[in-house]
Amino acid sequence: ELKVEQNPLFLSMQEGKNYTIYCNYSTTSDRLYWYRQDPGKSLESLFVLLSNGAVKQEGRLMASLDTKARLSTLHITAAVHDLSATYFCAVDMGTWGNNDMRFGAGTRLTVKP
Amino acid sequence: DTAVSQTPKYLVTQMGNDKSIKCEQNLGHDTMYWYKQDSKKFLKIMFSYNNKELIINETVPNRFSPKSPDKAHLNLHINSLELGDSAVYFCASSPYGTSEKTQYFGPGTRLLVL
Repeated sequence: ELKVEQNPLFLSMQEGKNYTIYCNYSTTSDRLYWYRQDPGKSLESLFVLLSNGAVKQEGRLMASLDTKARLSTLHITAAVHDLSATYFCAVDMGTWGNNDMRFGAGTRLTVKP
Repeated sequence: DTAVSQTPKYLVTQMGNDKSIKCEQNLGHDTMYWYKQDSKKFLKIMFSYNNKELIINETVPNRFSPKSPDKAHLNLHINSLELGDSAVYFCASSPYGTSEKTQYFGPGTRLLVL
């Protein structure tokens, strides 16, 4: 059975600092997604990583994928309060036509002034 | 012009009742999904439909029954509600047959069973 493990599960950081969230998964997949969820809200897509070595950046967030190590990272640069949210990685186990996403437990990020 | 909409947004009901949650997407996607998010924020897929055909049917109690009248709608009916059914239920949709297949989520339905 596929396991998707995120760590840390809780992260409290100061504004201006850098940190990395890790997402390990237990079986072969070359499609990985990162989502953000604000409290009481829906999930918002951040990144789609489709191949080994893929790197995507948006603002202070950068995501990467190493399919051989079965590892994705979400790096936060110079954190600001607005980044406070829960971040989920999801591994796609589906076929070409459909996707079958299995989510990690989420990392609850709090950025303090 | 909401992309994925769900009704109702909140649902409070008694144990043993039957309830339905509706989902509609106007993105032209072929595939729709239901997820359950528990109190610890863990997200689990329940069902997936592609163009009205059931694709994923995870291990959920058979009190849960999805219905897809057309590819823009996927409803979730729950019979004999139990306390453990209290959760947030998200509907999502994605395009079929593209490389990215990002899922777009609805706003969620917060179900509380008393």
